[in-house]
Amino acid sequence: SQELEQSPQSLIVQEGKNLTINCTSSKTLYGLYWYKQKYGEGLIFLMMLQKGGEEKSHEKITAKLDEKKQQSSLHITASQPSHAGIYLCGAAGTGTASKLTFGTGTRLQVTL
Amino acid sequence: NAGVTQTPKFRILKIGQSMTLQCAQDMNHNYMYWYRQDPGMGLKLIYYSVGAGITDKGEVPNGYNVSRSTTEDFPLRLELAAPSQTSVYFCASSSGRGRYTGELFFGEGSRLTVL
Repeated sequence: SQELEQSPQSLIVQEGKNLTINCTSSKTLYGLYWYKQKYGEGLIFLMMLQKGGEEKSHEKITAKLDEKKQQSSLHITASQPSHAGIYLCGAAGTGTASKLTFGTGTRLQVTL
Repeated sequence: NAGVTQTPKFRILKIGQSMTLQCAQDMNHNYMYWYRQDPGMGLKLIYYSVGAGITDKGEVPNGYNVSRSTTEDFPLRLELAAPSQTSVYFCASSSGRGRYTGELFFGEGSRLTVL
């Protein structure tokens, strides 16, 4: 089965600082998804990457996909308290049911 | 637009009791999923459904059952609750169109404690 490893597991950054979260897959990626979870709430879809080299941005969050390395990175520029939460990457399998395998998540805290 | 609604939000069960977690979506999505989230362990897929009348096992189905009699509803049944089922349960749905349809819409979760 596919496994997704995220690093770091947790991160504390000062407001205004940049940060990067990585997600590495044990198998070929057919689609990589980033979600954000606020504490005690459900997951919210951020963006989807399908092709190697693809890069997408959502407000101050940018994600890239390196298909060869089976890896994706999520970069936040000028972090704000609203960025705090748990970031999870998810990978689609080869089936048609869109079943996602999720990483263990990266917990981000943004201090003032 | 309500999206995905889960009930109850919190529940405490005694070992051996049974209960049903309810999930309803109003987006006419064909695909629905149940995940459980344990601390520091990410999300694990329990069961999923690609349409009314069709369900299939995910990664961790033991101790659970599901049914999908309508497009809107996807209840998760816990039989003979065990402490290992203490977790936060999330229901999700997606339109299922196209191959890469990983945009899932999640409910707010149901926190279950088995004592």
